[in-house]
Amino acid sequence: NAGVMQNPRHLVRRRGQEARLRCSPMKGHSHVYWYRQLPEEGLKFMVYLQKENIIDESGMPKERFSAEFPKEGPSILRIQQVVRGDSAAYFCASSPRLAGGRSSYNEQFFGPGTRLTVL
Amino acid sequence: QKEVEQNSGPLSVPEGAIASLNCTYSDRGSQSFFWYRQYSGKSPELIMFIYSNGDKEDGRFTAQLNKASQYVSLLIRDSQPSDSATYLCAVTQGWTSGSRLTFGEGTQLTVNP
Repeated sequence: NAGVMQNPRHLVRRRGQEARLRCSPMKGHSHVYWYRQLPEEGLKFMVYLQKENIIDESGMPKERFSAEFPKEGPSILRIQQVVRGDSAAYFCASSPRLAGGRSSYNEQFFGPGTRLTVL
Repeated sequence: QKEVEQNSGPLSVPEGAIASLNCTYSDRGSQSFFWYRQYSGKSPELIMFIYSNGDKEDGRFTAQLNKASQYVSLLIRDSQPSDSATYLCAVTQGWTSGSRLTFGEGTQLTVNP
């Protein structure tokens, strides 16, 4: 069973460009979370999504950042007009949903992350 | 006050010793508690989770939870050099899928051969 997949693993952008980070959850997982880890800082929650729905975006910066999880395909975290302060590791995590729509315990499994560097 | 606080490191123990990692949280509504291990440059790896007061053991790892004291800990018995990593404590308000994790800043553990 493949784990959470993220790509690209490393992304270099110049200031003002757009960054697109992709995440495919583990098979059978319908909950996707994005976290950011700034250099020498802890992991911070950004957004929680289910298919076609943003459930909790309380951790997202109000400008330039957006996320989606379409019916088909991976979840996308988009950062427009990147600045140097956006340089960080961005991790996606997923958690399972039990058969019949019941929620499982909230174990979240992390992908390998995307290291974004803004020049 | 930080939502999740971990004992400041770095923590250094000799091989074979017990490593004790501590974490306190401020939200009394927190329901579930997680320990992750993160090697340098890698992603967090789930080690243990606990929901009920008391101890939960899994191999060399024991998680302890005391909701009255808002305290959770991780004990690593027979520590090995491969346990050297940063250990992250995380809590959620809910116990089912869909609750965001709030992390502490981590405790760096070094196990010396």
